[in-house]
Amino acid sequence: QSVLTQPPSASGTPGQRVSISCSGSNSNIGDNFVYWYQQFPGTAPRLLIYRNSQRPSGVPDRFSGSKSGTSASLAISGLRPEDEADYHCATWDDSLSSPVFGGGTKLTVL
Amino acid sequence: QITLRESGPTLVKPTQTLTLTCTFSGFSLSTSGVGVAWIRQPPGKALEWLAHIYSNENQRHNPSLKSRLTVTKDTSKNQVVLTMTNMDPADTATYYCAHRPYDSFGSTFFDFWGQGTLVTVSS
Repeated sequence: QSVLTQPPSASGTPGQRVSISCSGSNSNIGDNFVYWYQQFPGTAPRLLIYRNSQRPSGVPDRFSGSKSGTSASLAISGLRPEDEADYHCATWDDSLSSPVFGGGTKLTVL
Repeated sequence: QITLRESGPTLVKPTQTLTLTCTFSGFSLSTSGVGVAWIRQPPGKALEWLAHIYSNENQRHNPSLKSRLTVTKDTSKNQVVLTMTNMDPADTATYYCAHRPYDSFGSTFFDFWGQGTLVTVSS
C-alpha cells in the first residue's frame, strides 16, 4: 500500500485534457514539494514535474502540475498517443523521513 | 551529461546477499548536496525508495528495510554500491540508481535515472 494514492488508470482521446490526482497527508504533500515521473514500459522513470509545477528542460508545456493542501494533480493537455505511459507522483514524508511514491497511474490514449 | 548504470547479478537465491553497483558519470559525489539513490520496482508495482548516500557520506535508508541495507561510495571510481542482505522472493524487482541533485530548497528528488537491472530472487 503506497503512502500516496493515485488512481490505477486514466484515459483520454487525442487532443483531450486529462488530469491525474495524487492524494497524501499533512506529513507529506501538505508540507513538501510534489514531483511527477513519466515511465514507458520497460524503461526508467523520467522526471516530468518538479517543485509542484516546474518543468525540466525538454518537457512540453502540455504537461502541468499543481498542488492544493494534501493533494496534487498532473494535467496533460492536447493529449497525444505518445503520452501513453505510467505516471508516478512523489514527495518527501516528514514522519517517515524518506521519499515516498504513489502507486502509479497507467494512462491510456484511446 | 549525467548517466548512471546499474550492474550486478540477475538471479540470487533466497537468504543470499545482493550487491549492486551504480557507475555514474557527468557529476561528482564530492559536490555538496549531491547524492545517489537506489529505488526499486517489483514487476507491475509501484516505485519504492530504498536508500541514498550524499557527498558528505550521510546516508538515509527506507525504515522498513534499514537493517538489511548498506550503501557505500567510491568517489574516485564514480561508483555507489548497494548491499541488501537476506534476499527473499518478494525482493524480486527492477533496481534503479538515480541522481539526487543539489536543491536550494533542500528537497529530495531524482532527475536522472539508470536503465535499471532486474533482479530475480528464486531457488
